[in-house]
Amino acid sequence: GIQVEQSPPDLILQEGANSTLRCNFSDSVNNLQWFHQNPWGQLINLFYIPSGTKQNGRLSATTVATERYSLLYISSSQTTDSGVYFCAAREPTGANSKLTFGKGITLSVRP
Amino acid sequence: DGGITQSPKYLFRKEGQNVTLSCEQNLNHDAMYWYRQDPGQGLRLIYYSQIVNDFQKGDIAEGYSVSREKKESFPLTVTSAQKNPTAFYLCASSAPGGSTDTQYFGPGTRLTVL
Repeated sequence: GIQVEQSPPDLILQEGANSTLRCNFSDSVNNLQWFHQNPWGQLINLFYIPSGTKQNGRLSATTVATERYSLLYISSSQTTDSGVYFCAAREPTGANSKLTFGKGITLSVRP
Repeated sequence: DGGITQSPKYLFRKEGQNVTLSCEQNLNHDAMYWYRQDPGQGLRLIYYSQIVNDFQKGDIAEGYSVSREKKESFPLTVTSAQKNPTAFYLCASSAPGGSTDTQYFGPGTRLTVL
């Protein structure tokens, strides 16, 4: 099955800094999502982005499907951005809707 | 409000007991999923269901069972056969297909075996 790797595993930022989180995947995908897990465990979907670029406020994401990677950009980081960021991908084979998750990137934003 | 609810939030179990975790959604989604998360790890798929009365094993189904008798409900039973059940359990749902095939998650259940 598809392999999903995220880097870096941990990231510490000062409030106001920008950051780039990376997700590499081993095969073609028809579904690529970014999630944020807050300190209480709730996962929130940030982007559905199997290709192209999307922006939502201070967050934006770009997926280059032909090169098998996706990037999540956080600008002007805030302490509320802290948590774990997961990338998840699905191969376009059959009707299986199973997503494979990476191990996550733990982000700590310090005031 | 539309969303996914999981109960209980915290659950304690003695070794050898079966426990059932509840997951309900009112998003009218066809597909539902159960994931397990261990500290410092990503999410691993236990079971998923794409339609009522049908479900498939995920990557770590051993020691777990599910049912899907109603579209809104997808309960997970952690059986005594699961060797290391202490973990955070997350339920999700989605409406597969098209450009909005995103997964939405419940708040999770933290299971601790005493």
